[in-house]
Amino acid sequence: DGGITQSPKYLFRKEGQNVTLSCEQNLNHDAMYWYRQDPGQGLRLIYYSQIVNDFQKGDIAEGYSVSREKKESFPLTVTSAQKNPTAFYLCASDFGTGGNQPQHFGDGTRLSIL
Amino acid sequence: AQKVTQAQTEISVVEKEDVTLDCVYETRDTTYYLFWYKQPPSGELVFLIRRNSFDEQNEISGRYSWNFQKSTSSFNFTITASQVVDSAVYFCALSEYNTDKLIFGTGTRLQVFP
Repeated sequence: DGGITQSPKYLFRKEGQNVTLSCEQNLNHDAMYWYRQDPGQGLRLIYYSQIVNDFQKGDIAEGYSVSREKKESFPLTVTSAQKNPTAFYLCASDFGTGGNQPQHFGDGTRLSIL
Repeated sequence: AQKVTQAQTEISVVEKEDVTLDCVYETRDTTYYLFWYKQPPSGELVFLIRRNSFDEQNEISGRYSWNFQKSTSSFNFTITASQVVDSAVYFCALSEYNTDKLIFGTGTRLQVFP
């Protein structure tokens, strides 16, 4: 079945540690996105990529980094510079046709600080 | 600036009641797209509907219906005869023409009690 796979489902980070969240899609989508969700807030865009080897900052990119070496994969690294990383992280993808198609979402990764 | 407002933070109803979730948006573009997503307790976002700015026809899909009114910049979602399985957080979102970025509202948590 086609879809988006995020792993792990739960992740714990120690102080000063970088952690990487995985996102893989087999929908042949060109564009991929990372969102952060905090309680009582909507989803906020961290980074997005419309093509391999290229990505743009979203609204809250500080303390995060990404790479897009393969069309199918868009991993997100939460660095030690992100002082408040506890949140629910959602990865999404679409064909990148200029906003008129729905994004498809993974099941999310819940990140907590130890 | 783009903005999506979902003023209802939480709604509780008893099964079989009808419920309307409000969504008000702001944009300067004449071409834009509106979406509704459902987030069940499992966490993933499920796409429900897309509407483009030139199509003001209301839509009905089973127990779900959507009322798009450009004059009031609203895109409201009604569930008829609600069921316990409708319990979730519902997000309204906006994307402007030729951008791949989705702007989300803060969501409305719907609880349907038996």
